[in-house]
Amino acid sequence: AQSVSQHNHHVILSEAASLELGCNYSYGGTVNLFWYVQYPGQHLQLLLKYFSGDPLVKGIKGFEAEFIKSKFSFNLRKPSVQWSDTAEYFCAVNIGYGGSQGNLIFGKGTKLSVKP
Amino acid sequence: GAGVSQSPSNKVTEKGKDVELRCDPISGHTALYWYRQRLGQGLEFLIYFQGNSAPDKSGLPSDRFSAERTGESVSTLTIQRTQQEDSAVYLCASSLDRGASYEQYFGPGTRLTVT
Repeated sequence: AQSVSQHNHHVILSEAASLELGCNYSYGGTVNLFWYVQYPGQHLQLLLKYFSGDPLVKGIKGFEAEFIKSKFSFNLRKPSVQWSDTAEYFCAVNIGYGGSQGNLIFGKGTKLSVKP
Repeated sequence: GAGVSQSPSNKVTEKGKDVELRCDPISGHTALYWYRQRLGQGLEFLIYFQGNSAPDKSGLPSDRFSAERTGESVSTLTIQRTQQEDSAVYLCASSLDRGASYEQYFGPGTRLTVT
């Protein structure tokens, strides 16, 4: 079965530190990739997505992610984190061309705590 | 505009009882998804509805779980004879149509605790 692995359960950073959250998936075919974020007390929301084209995608709030097909990875990055980035981050995959399967397969999530 | 809403926000039930969870998708969204998130786990797909097509039930963990959707509106997820392992946050999402091109918008979830 397809799966998504997020390497870090909890990451603690100081403000202005750089962030990289790892995500790997296990599926050899066409994939669509997503990062979702859940801020404390809020709904899960889309941070960025990759379907095709430029493997470096930019999302909201200064986040970006790079798709490396050979490594089955889609790592999330931000050059300088802020206290307001404290949240839980989920990597997700939708398999099939155009997302034909419909549902998302999620990783277990990474909690990010940013110290002011 | 209004987002996805779910009710109740919290539900505590005794083992063996049936529960019903409700989801109101964004108006006009034809696709509706149910996921659950158990403690320390990622979101786990349960079922999805697309318009008038037969739902994709491939993620339902047992025959105690069922879901219905009335047209392109409200959906209810029913869990019969609840077990302690059913304790989780149940999330509903909707999108304009099926497929990854259409962003899934999530509701706040229903936290189910089975005692």
